[in-house]
Amino acid sequence: AQSVTQPDIHITVSEGASLELRCNYSYGATPYLFWYVQSPGQGLQLLLKYFSGDTLVQGIKGFEAEFKRSQSSFNLRKPSVHWSDAAEYFCAVGARSSARQLTFGSGTQLTVLP
Amino acid sequence: SQTIHQWPATLVQPVGSPLSLECTVEGTSNPNLYWYRQAAGRGLQLLFYSVGIGQISSEVPQNLSASRPQDRQFILSSKKLLLSDSGFYLCAWSVGQASGNTIYFGEGSWLTVV
Repeated sequence: AQSVTQPDIHITVSEGASLELRCNYSYGATPYLFWYVQSPGQGLQLLLKYFSGDTLVQGIKGFEAEFKRSQSSFNLRKPSVHWSDAAEYFCAVGARSSARQLTFGSGTQLTVLP
Repeated sequence: SQTIHQWPATLVQPVGSPLSLECTVEGTSNPNLYWYRQAAGRGLQLLFYSVGIGQISSEVPQNLSASRPQDRQFILSSKKLLLSDSGFYLCAWSVGQASGNTIYFGEGSWLTVV
């Protein structure tokens, strides 16, 4: 069965600092990988996704993520964090065979200090 | 473009009362539809999944049911709510492997059972 681990429950960074949120997955083949962001009381918004090809994917709001097969990782990065980036971030892994099989990590809460 | 509408946004219901949450998707046809629950401090749990009208798969045994009376309408129901049904409910949709099975979420419904 597939699984996703987000080892950092909570991360605090200063505005303007760089950010990296970690995501490790377990899956028997090449998965679909996603990052979502959730502001308080809101639904999840898709930031970016990886299906195939270039392992560095660009997303909305200045985010990027890199798929590293050897490390089973799909870490999310942003070079300069803005206060509006404070939210919860979810990594997800999906099976290529079925949209039903989308597994989410437990989330990382990001706090941005002024 | 595709949009998803979910209502009501907030609901406070007494124990033992019925529940009906509704979700509609616009701008696409024959979507896969999902109901997720996000309990406080926990990740996302897939409750129901539907690939077509009248076709519902339940992922976990519980006090809830789902129905899909129309192609783009998905309803989450309960005959008698329990305190443990409190949480944040998210409707979502996807359109299959052509888009990498990407799942898009509605804004969510807060349910408090008192």
